[in-house]
Amino acid sequence: LAKTTQPISMDSYEGQEVNITCSHNNIATNDYITWYQQFPSQGPRFIIQGYKTKVTNEVASLFIPADRKSSTLSLPRVSLSDTAVYYCLVDTGGFKTIFGAGTRLFVKA
Amino acid sequence: NAGVMQNPRHLVRRRGQEARLRCSPMKGHSHVYWYRQLPEEGLKFMVYLQKENIIDESGMPKERFSAEFPKEGPSILRIQQVVRGDSAAYFCASSPQRRSGENQPQHFGDGTRLSIL
Repeated sequence: LAKTTQPISMDSYEGQEVNITCSHNNIATNDYITWYQQFPSQGPRFIIQGYKTKVTNEVASLFIPADRKSSTLSLPRVSLSDTAVYYCLVDTGGFKTIFGAGTRLFVKA
Repeated sequence: NAGVMQNPRHLVRRRGQEARLRCSPMKGHSHVYWYRQLPEEGLKFMVYLQKENIIDESGMPKERFSAEFPKEGPSILRIQQVVRGDSAAYFCASSPQRRSGENQPQHFGDGTRLSIL
């Protein structure tokens, strides 16, 4: 299972775009890249998933370069409510998903 | 996290008692996963089950812990003779049957917070 490395914490201000980069040098051919968001006292919430290039949904974009050894989660115009822990995962078929420590994003007014 | 239902949300047990944590997966999901999370840490995989089968229990402690996902009813994570170190948040996730070429993300419940006195 591929290990992921992401910053421990990040600070931002309301209205800014936030980019969180995750390294996964040992990603396997069949692995997908998935990002989750977790608020205190809640379970992780699925944000976005991708395999290559760019994926966009209503809450975020995911950029994956051709070598797939890293990925960047982009949150447009963050608000205070986006303060949370963001986890980057690589997994094949969702089996035995490995969570790292995640990135703690603090959004300030 | 509507869909995956865990209960109870909070559970207090004394050392030596048994703890039973229940998880009802989202409708149509046949795969269930259990994780444990300590404060300020990421989730640690414990076990992956399909209906009536344990697929991967490599993250489960060898003693006192067991899990099941019966044909009818919720999945149960059972901890016997609890100790203080079992205090944690336990999360359940579910996913649908994976089709060839697809990757199905897991959907999580809001967890059971277990406190051992």
